[in-house]
Amino acid sequence: DAKTTQPNSMESNEEEPVHLPCNHSTISGTDYIHWYRQLPSQGPEYVIHGLTSNVNNRMASLAIAEDRKSSTLILHRATLRDAAVYYCILRDVYQFYFGTGTSLTVIP
Amino acid sequence: KAGVTQTPRYLIKTRGQQVTLSCSPISGHRSVSWYQQTPGQGLQFLFEYFSETQRNKGNFPGRFSGRQFSNSRSEMNVSTLELGDSALYLCASSMGQRDGELFFGEGSRLTVL
Repeated sequence: DAKTTQPNSMESNEEEPVHLPCNHSTISGTDYIHWYRQLPSQGPEYVIHGLTSNVNNRMASLAIAEDRKSSTLILHRATLRDAAVYYCILRDVYQFYFGTGTSLTVIP
Repeated sequence: KAGVTQTPRYLIKTRGQQVTLSCSPISGHRSVSWYQQTPGQGLQFLFEYFSETQRNKGNFPGRFSGRQFSNSRSEMNVSTLELGDSALYLCASSMGQRDGELFFGEGSRLTVL
């Protein structure tokens, strides 16, 4: 079974905020939550990661639920270049576990 | 700083053949991990090498193997190819920490006929 669950697709208008949800109900206390995105014909690229606290960087914000069973990636102002598949990933001692990803469409 | 380089980018093989894919990590990175990406299964972890040792392995048959050289470059090999091995094979390099960032190459697209 997949360790993370994400909606298959989402749409957003350009320059509006986007909230991409992820459920990871079986997360263990030491698993890191990572988000990567993949543009067409490219390898995935790092977006953000966290363990327990909310995180911000120049690309996005990561909001982690208090019980850590879910998280939300927040893109503050979607641009056309943000159209990609976004993967919510758990990282344990052994490996990264990729979900099936959310395909984000940005509407001009 | 040069990124992760994977070669070849595209290749076509027939069933029963074997294939070797190469990955050159970012300079200074000691960890190289490999992933298989297919439309049906998504991204699946194959294995990770750190300082020439296999540190972790995913749930793939023994036909899938890899190695890492002293300069951190890595190769993966798939023997006795099957149609289901057609996929994009991605390599990622990192410093190796659990909270570290992975840097992916553009992948090697394998088609098995």
